[in-house]
Amino acid sequence: EEQLVQSGAAVKKPGESLKISCQGSGHTFSNYWIGWVRQTPGKGLEWMGSIYPNDSDMRYSPSFEEEVIISVDKSTSTAYLQWLSLKASDTAIYYCARATGGMDVWGKGTMVTVSS
Amino acid sequence: EIVLTQSPVTLSVSPGERATLSCRASQSVGSNLAWYQQKPGQAPRLLIYGVSTRATGVPARFSGSGSGTEFTLTISSLQSEDFAVYYCQQFNSWPRYTFGQGTKLEIK
Repeated sequence: EEQLVQSGAAVKKPGESLKISCQGSGHTFSNYWIGWVRQTPGKGLEWMGSIYPNDSDMRYSPSFEEEVIISVDKSTSTAYLQWLSLKASDTAIYYCARATGGMDVWGKGTMVTVSS
Repeated sequence: EIVLTQSPVTLSVSPGERATLSCRASQSVGSNLAWYQQKPGQAPRLLIYGVSTRATGVPARFSGSGSGTEFTLTISSLQSEDFAVYYCQQFNSWPRYTFGQGTKLEIK
């Protein structure tokens, strides 16, 4: 069964760094774009960007380009989403998902809470 | 940026009845539109891609239609498990694959 397994919830303070992960199994991870989606109560679902594990080609939504870093380790079939300096407004659930014609396989989400 | 506007925000329908959800794009997205269902505490689930193609395992009571800027998700006979929030997403404007704000389908 195709799965994306995400890392657990994180609680951080403003200004701290964080890297969350998304590991694929049951499919050829490298051959599909992996996207990251943010969900907040106020703004719903937001596409953040995506990466193609086979060659690490990455594309960011302009809204997130300066805010996060997307990366991948092909050898472990793991994609990452990283912040260098978190803000309270980064509090949200973050999903990774495989992007084909739609986003057909989703991780369960990682809850990130940023609070002083 | 392409803005997707879903209507209505909330739709109240009785089990067994038909539900029709709309998604309007601020500019043409061709046939690059998908629909998702999300239940509380769960990740979204892909229902429809390419406007009208059902994803694997999606019941036939779900259907999608439309083109250009106007799209519709129809659920022909609502089952109890269909009450959820539904989102549309466009895949036409790379790299900003925007979502609609969602329609909450509730039991009448």
